[in-house]
Amino acid sequence: GAVVSQHPSRVICKSGTSVKIECRSLDFQATTMFWYRQFPKQSLMLMATSNEGSKATYEQGVEKDKFLINHASLTLSTLTVTSAHPEDSSFYICSARPTDRGPGEQYFGPGTRLTVT
Amino acid sequence: RKEVEQDPGPFNVPEGATVAFNCTYSNSASQSFFWYRQDCRKEPKLLMSVYSSGNEDGRFTAQLNRASQYISLLIRDSKLSDSATYLCVVSLNTGGFKTIFGAGTRLFVKA
Repeated sequence: GAVVSQHPSRVICKSGTSVKIECRSLDFQATTMFWYRQFPKQSLMLMATSNEGSKATYEQGVEKDKFLINHASLTLSTLTVTSAHPEDSSFYICSARPTDRGPGEQYFGPGTRLTVT
Repeated sequence: RKEVEQDPGPFNVPEGATVAFNCTYSNSASQSFFWYRQDCRKEPKLLMSVYSSGNEDGRFTAQLNRASQYISLLIRDSKLSDSATYLCVVSLNTGGFKTIFGAGTRLFVKA
């Protein structure tokens, strides 16, 4: 149980285009999902916390107009990178916290590797 | 000061060795503590939760010292398959639960 999927796993796009990444909890409901970014040889950095039915909470320094988050259901959150630039190239990972579990228990998707050319 | 700090690593150890990872956190209001494992270019996976009483899972032992704001992970009888990055993770309630990851410690186990 506790499987999280992400789609796509890898995407290459041109500078200026937008990319949408989906995160789904397959066998549990998740009121809260998290979006992280990880650059090579660095730790995960939390970008935003996504709550079903309400606006996402963004971490300091993360542009909410550039990284659009929608959490429309208890099993799906999407991250849209708008007007992507090469510096947005990174590994984006989502995680989902089961509604009936403790605050630190979260399950990660396999990640999406974004390359902006 | 980082909110969660770990040994810089990398740790290079032979098979069968015992290796210990340390982690400190700065916010005394931290409530939950975890060790995650991350393989290269993969997502993190929960290794174990950490409790004040200490907990053990096979070759892995985790300890928490709230007074010192210190967490440890001990791996006994290291296997080649233990090679990975180990992430110390702290969760706290700041008006909504927030999870903070340490930078990770890379472990290489050699034959």
